[in-house]
Amino acid sequence: GAGVSQTPSNKVTEKGKYVELRCDPISGHTALYWYRQSLGQGPEFLIYFQGTGAADDSGLPNDRFFAVRPEGSVSTLKIQRTERGDSAVYLCASSLEVIAGVGTGELFFGEGSRLTVL
Amino acid sequence: KNEVEQSPQNLTAQEGEFITINCSYSVGISALHWLQQHPGGGIVSLFMLSSGKKKHGRLIATINIQEKHSSLHITASHPRDSAVYICAVDSGGGADGLTFGKGTHLIIQP
Repeated sequence: GAGVSQTPSNKVTEKGKYVELRCDPISGHTALYWYRQSLGQGPEFLIYFQGTGAADDSGLPNDRFFAVRPEGSVSTLKIQRTERGDSAVYLCASSLEVIAGVGTGELFFGEGSRLTVL
Repeated sequence: KNEVEQSPQNLTAQEGEFITINCSYSVGISALHWLQQHPGGGIVSLFMLSSGKKKHGRLIATINIQEKHSSLHITASHPRDSAVYICAVDSGGGADGLTFGKGTHLIIQP
């Protein structure tokens, strides 16, 4: 597609439920990133993929959070047993690739998925 | 881990004013990103720079690698420039090497 697409744009769920957030990156971008942004804060790193594999998942807060990118394109962030503290905007970004020592290159962000856990 | 400080946190100005937003970081980087976030959450990349200065329309970004400091300038500011401006620094180690500032909330009044 022309840009990074995230769905749903808004999700309201109840505590304890399971949630999936989807990210469709720019075609040809091998690097895909998930960030979480709480009100008044900058984005916080969760996980990034280079191709199909999770190159670094050190930002995932606990084992309730999991992300996949099975075909190296679309990625899904999965949150089990949601808690009120999971409420935030979940941002996805993509770039052509990550080069060690150089960095991410130009980033392209989606509009975000706003998750509210009641 | 890099520490990124932006100033000011909030800025209200009149249309037409020259705007400067500052970003300082603590550890050497491979690149610095300036991002714009409008209400509703979408983030747009404005600049990625590793040295010197870049200009795009009314926006100018500069970086001083020795002083670990970057500035974003907006000339002839307009109400549509109202947004949160975020500085992110890339330590070159991969996506986890990106550290974001908390953002500067800019309001341009007509």
